[in-house]
Amino acid sequence: QKEVEQNSGPLSVPEGAIASLNCTYSDRGSQSFFWYRQYSGKSPELIMSIYSNGDKEDGRFTAQLNKASQYVSLLIRDSQPSDSATYLCAVNPFKAAGNKLTFGGGTRVLVKP
Amino acid sequence: GAGVSQTPSNKVTEKGKYVELRCDPISGHTALYWYRQSLGQGPEFLIYFQGTGAADDSGLPNDRFFAVRPEGSVSTLKIQRTERGDSAVYLCASSLDHADTQYFGPGTRLTVL
Repeated sequence: QKEVEQNSGPLSVPEGAIASLNCTYSDRGSQSFFWYRQYSGKSPELIMSIYSNGDKEDGRFTAQLNKASQYVSLLIRDSQPSDSATYLCAVNPFKAAGNKLTFGGGTRVLVKP
Repeated sequence: GAGVSQTPSNKVTEKGKYVELRCDPISGHTALYWYRQSLGQGPEFLIYFQGTGAADDSGLPNDRFFAVRPEGSVSTLKIQRTERGDSAVYLCASSLDHADTQYFGPGTRLTVL
C-alpha cells in the first residue's frame, strides 16, 4: 500500500462545475496536509494547507480533512480552464509545514470550456 | 523577490558519468529540501538540510547520491556513476525554517543515456 494514494484521473470537469479530488494516507501520525498544483513541465505550487479536522476555505478552493478516516479532499468551485493541472496531495508527520513531504501520485484535472 | 533557482535546467549525461545539480534557495531560508520526480509520479523526498547540516537523508536511494550545503545557502546534489534509472526531474525546495511552507524551484531534468 502506498503511503499517500490518489486517483490518477484524468478528472474531466465542465467549466463552472465543482471538481472533487480525494486523497488517502496510511500513516496515522500524519498531522499536516497539503495540496499542490502542478502545471505540465512546471514545479509544484502550494494552494492549500490544512492541519485540523474539518473544512478550510480559500477562495474557490476548500480542503477537507478527516483524520479518523485518513482522508483529505480538495474541492474546486466554479472550475476554470486555467485550473487544468495535476493536483498533488502531500502529508507530513509533524505539525508544521516543514520537514519532508510524502506525495501522492497526483490527480490530473481537465476543465473543459 | 527571487524564488528558488536551479541549474542547469536540463542535463544530459552518459551512463557511468558524474553529475552535479545546484540549488540556490530563497534568501534567508534556512531549510532546504531535495526531491526527485519521475514521469507521472509525485515528488519523492531525498534529503533535507537545516542550515549546513543534513537533518534527514533517509530518502537518498544509495551511496551514489550525496548532497552538500557548506555555507547554509546554496546546495549541490551529486550523483556518481549515473544509471539510466536516475533519469528524472530533480526538484529543490526551501522554507524559512523547518516549520514553514516549502517553495519549489523549477527543477533540473536529468537524462542519463
